[in-house]
Amino acid sequence: DAGVIQSPRHEVTEMGQEVTLRCKPISGHNSLFWYRQTMMRGLELLIYFNNNVPIDDSGMPEDRFSAKMPNASFSTLKIQPSEPRDSAVYFCASSLGRGTLRGETQYFGPGTRLLVL
Amino acid sequence: GENVEQHPSTLSVQEGDSAVIKCTYSDSASNYFPWYKQELGKGPQLIIDIRSNVGEKKDQRIAVTLNKTAKHFSLHITETQPEDSAVYFCAASNENTGFQKLVFGTGTRLLVSP
Repeated sequence: DAGVIQSPRHEVTEMGQEVTLRCKPISGHNSLFWYRQTMMRGLELLIYFNNNVPIDDSGMPEDRFSAKMPNASFSTLKIQPSEPRDSAVYFCASSLGRGTLRGETQYFGPGTRLLVL
Repeated sequence: GENVEQHPSTLSVQEGDSAVIKCTYSDSASNYFPWYKQELGKGPQLIIDIRSNVGEKKDQRIAVTLNKTAKHFSLHITETQPEDSAVYFCAASNENTGFQKLVFGTGTRLLVSP
């Protein structure tokens, strides 16, 4: 398996523009997580999906952020409008999501490095 | 909610030495404690984990210890090698909540010099 795939790997945009980050989880995984990594706040969970349904979005910073999972093999994280403080590395991770959770490893993608000017 | 503190923030050792990274957590309900290694330009990768019913776990040169009473856990790397150089993150989670919501520490940058 190719692992978790994220695109783009790097994104530079101007303040006010819409940004869409994409993620393809590992085939057969039912849980998907979006994280944000910054120097100031470290690794933070933004939102968690299980079987394509958002379960916990308490980490989403504000209404400018939205995430969707239209099917088991694709998820997007959208920022509209983007601001300089959104600059960070965004990671997608997936796990089996069998329901018991014990022994389930979260596998991280390579991340998308976002810079908002 | 859970809060995880990690020390030190940077650690420099000579090849062959041991390295120890320590974390404390605040929520006594946390029962799952993974450690992740993040190399430059990559996402974090799980290297070892421990659950609250176990005090110590080893995997070759890596070991993790857990003290539930004191609410702290540590990562021990023996016989360090230059390829161990990376940022290491601890995390804590309560698996009884329904999903694996990991709360991460702030990371330790480990540098192993040849």
